[in-house]
Amino acid sequence: EVQLVESGGGLVQPGGSLRLSCAASGFTFSSFWMNWVRQAPGKGLEWVANIKQDGSEKYYVDSVKGRFTISRDNAKNSLYLQMNSLRAEDTAVYYCLRSMGVWGQGTTVTVSS
Amino acid sequence: QSVLTQPPSASGTPGQRVTISCSGSSPNIGSNAVNWYQQLPGTAPKLLIYSSNQRPAGVPDRFSGSKSGTSASLAISGLQSEDEADYYCAAWDDSLNAWVFGGGTKLTVL
Repeated sequence: EVQLVESGGGLVQPGGSLRLSCAASGFTFSSFWMNWVRQAPGKGLEWVANIKQDGSEKYYVDSVKGRFTISRDNAKNSLYLQMNSLRAEDTAVYYCLRSMGVWGQGTTVTVSS
Repeated sequence: QSVLTQPPSASGTPGQRVTISCSGSSPNIGSNAVNWYQQLPGTAPKLLIYSSNQRPAGVPDRFSGSKSGTSASLAISGLQSEDEADYYCAAWDDSLNAWVFGGGTKLTVL
């Protein structure tokens, strides 16, 4: 069974940092693009970033460029999102996705003082 | 302001057929396939349609997708109460080098 399990969310102060992780299982992780998508409370879906199978290509939504870094470790079947200089508007549930198909259950990030 | 435009709401009675539209532009829907997602209350979204008109295994054939030019549509036939959810369209945008979503459509089954 394909599974994606996110972790690392929590409460952080504005300007702080957080690293999200996504543990993948049930498929050949190194064969797929991976994505992060977020959903602010009561709002719609917003794609955040993605990374190619070998990590050689990465793309970001404009609002996180220079602050967030997506990475992966194919040996550990894991996807990461390093989030720096966090802002209140980054508050959201963050989902890990295999390609743009299978979704994890999400991890909540709250940026507040 | 979403790059893809969806109606904020839609409704229908059980058994009816409803359609949800998704309007984009040349770099996104005009050049790439469209995905549709269903988000039931309090749950993570789920892929409903990929490649504009393909259903993943397990998705009932009551759900169908189509694309023409820079617009796409999701049709739900034989509407059921459990179809009450938020629906989102998405496509890759060649100009932004980003996936873009519609704002979402809240479907109410009356």
